[in-house]
This record gives sequence, structure tokens and C-alpha cells, in this order.
Amino acid sequence: DADVTQTPRNRITKTGKRIMLECSQTKGHDRMYWYRQDPGLGLRLIYYSFDVKDINKGEISDGYSVSRQAQAKFSLSLESAIPNQTALYFCATAREETQYFGPGTRLLVL
Amino acid sequence: GQSLEQPSEVTAVEGAIVQINCTYQTSGFYGLSWYQQHDGGAPTFLSYNALDGLEETGRFSSFLSRSDSYGYLLLQELQMKDSASYFCAVRDRSNAGNMLTFGGGTRLMVKP
Repeated sequence: DADVTQTPRNRITKTGKRIMLECSQTKGHDRMYWYRQDPGLGLRLIYYSFDVKDINKGEISDGYSVSRQAQAKFSLSLESAIPNQTALYFCATAREETQYFGPGTRLLVL
Repeated sequence: GQSLEQPSEVTAVEGAIVQINCTYQTSGFYGLSWYQQHDGGAPTFLSYNALDGLEETGRFSSFLSRSDSYGYLLLQELQMKDSASYFCAVRDRSNAGNMLTFGGGTRLMVKP
């Protein structure tokens, strides 16, 4: 079984819709992250959390919000999706210097 | 802030050696990591250097020079399965070094 899982794996939505991407982990790590990946731009940090009570904005948090429901769960929401949020989204956990990525969610906003 | 530069593409032949360079600018350097990502897959951790020098893990080695703000990933005995994108990432002193800033990635194509 995968240690970091993301649902859904693929999602198509329309401009203005609210959507939620979910991430779960069984690694027992406190640190969790949400990234987006666009072609040629590498991975950019959206939000991160060091424990259930600690949420921090990353480089590109505008238009996104997160919820850390438990140590194992970290959700990303797009309050009102727009086409330039079309991207590949990764959740990750971390222990020491290593980050462990989920399989990604491919999001298309029409 | 932080910035990283790495070549966008590198091509090499099977069995050869290839070096992927990464230069960085950061306000408080902690360490340099490398991740591999196959098409359609998730990034996976390859190596981490906090001190100057070469770290070897099988066919892959990673080098760091803190004084030059430079590092590289060295892949030896290239195999077709090494075709992937490779990202360098800087861990800096903000938030106790718990964040990474990624470069744009180097797409490695291994040819027969």
C-alpha cells in the first residue's frame, strides 16, 4: 500500500467551482506539504503544516486554502477555481531531509 | 529569497556518464537535495548534501561546494530507465530548514 495517497487522481472542473483535493499518509510524519507543478517550473510550494495546529503559507498560496484534519490528513481547497490553476498537484510528507510525495492529482479547470 | 538554476535538458547515451549541474542563491543555506521524477510519476528522493564533497549511492553521486553555491548530480553507467527529470532543491534556514525550494528540473534523455 502507498504511504502517501491522494484523491482524486484526476479532476475536471469548471471556472468558479469549489473543489477539494485530499491527501492521507500512513508514515506517521508531522510535516506535510502541498505543491503544484507546471511544465518547466518545477515544484512550487502552496501551503505547509508542521503539525495539526500549525499551517503556513507557501510561495503561491493565493486562491488556495488548506485544512489539517489530523496528523494523517491534509486537504487543499480551491475556493473558486480558475483556468490558470490547471496543474499537477502533489502532497508530500517529510522526515528529516527527505520528502515523500504522493502520486499527484491532475486538475483541469475549464 | 532563493533561486536555483539547472539546465533544462541533457541527452546522453546508454552506458555513459552524465553530470547535471545546479547553482543556487539563498539567504541561509542548509543543504542541497536531488529528486528524480519519471513522466507521469511522483518525485522521489535521491540524495542530500549538507557538507562539501561527494556522496555516492550506487550509480548516482551528488557533490556540493558551499563556497561556490554549486552542486551536481553524477549518473554513471546510464541505463534507459534513468530517462527522467531531475530536480535540485535547496533546504534553507527559514523555519528550521523544513522547506525546500525546487529548481525547474533537468530532463535527461538516455539514448541507446
